[in-house]
Amino acid sequence: DTAVSQTPKYLVTQMGNDKSIKCEQNLGHDTMYWYKQDSKKFLKIMFSYNNKELIINETVPNRFSPKSPDKAHLNLHINSLELGDSAVYFCASSHQGRGNTEAFFGQGTRLTVV
Amino acid sequence: AQSVTQLGSHVSVSEGALVLLRCNYSSSVPPYLFWYVQYPNQGLQLLLKYTSAATLVKGINGFEAEFKKSETSFHLTKPSAHMSDAAEYFCAVTLSGGYNKLIFGAGTRLAVHP
Repeated sequence: DTAVSQTPKYLVTQMGNDKSIKCEQNLGHDTMYWYKQDSKKFLKIMFSYNNKELIINETVPNRFSPKSPDKAHLNLHINSLELGDSAVYFCASSHQGRGNTEAFFGQGTRLTVV
Repeated sequence: AQSVTQLGSHVSVSEGALVLLRCNYSSSVPPYLFWYVQYPNQGLQLLLKYTSAATLVKGINGFEAEFKKSETSFHLTKPSAHMSDAAEYFCAVTLSGGYNKLIFGAGTRLAVHP
């Protein structure tokens, strides 16, 4: 019974295409996140939603658009994909807390843009 | 601004030897600190966290870490390495009172050899 699940796990697509990654959590958390891990394994937060409200929006190209239909789901849509978007994208969730609560991560989506 | 520095991108130990992974943080306010582990092709799993209670924190799989404010450090240790400990380890910090925005270090790859 996966806590944070992402689909797809692998995504290979051509430059210029539009793609989406879906994320669902069954932990009852109210906050969800997208992190990007680059080829050097460096992890950086992209977005966070709390109860469907965007609360963190880092410096990310506006080709990336998150959407949270409800607090258990957070999707990431990417327009006009570029080679540099190739990375592993992780969804995570947590209780809101005050910075001290554990984030649970999904298995990641490996995006390859060719 | 907060930041995390992990000294040593690669650490190699013999099975049964002490594991020491170093993490130093920079934060203008009291931080919350985390260690996550990432096994190949998997998501991140929390090993342990410091949230201003005991400075010596015990985690899963026999790992522990000590928060030292004077040294701004939160090094991860394990007395005796197992082959199964081979993975990528990430130290992370969040801002007290913030939105659980994890700021990650660059990671340390731990190799365990027989």
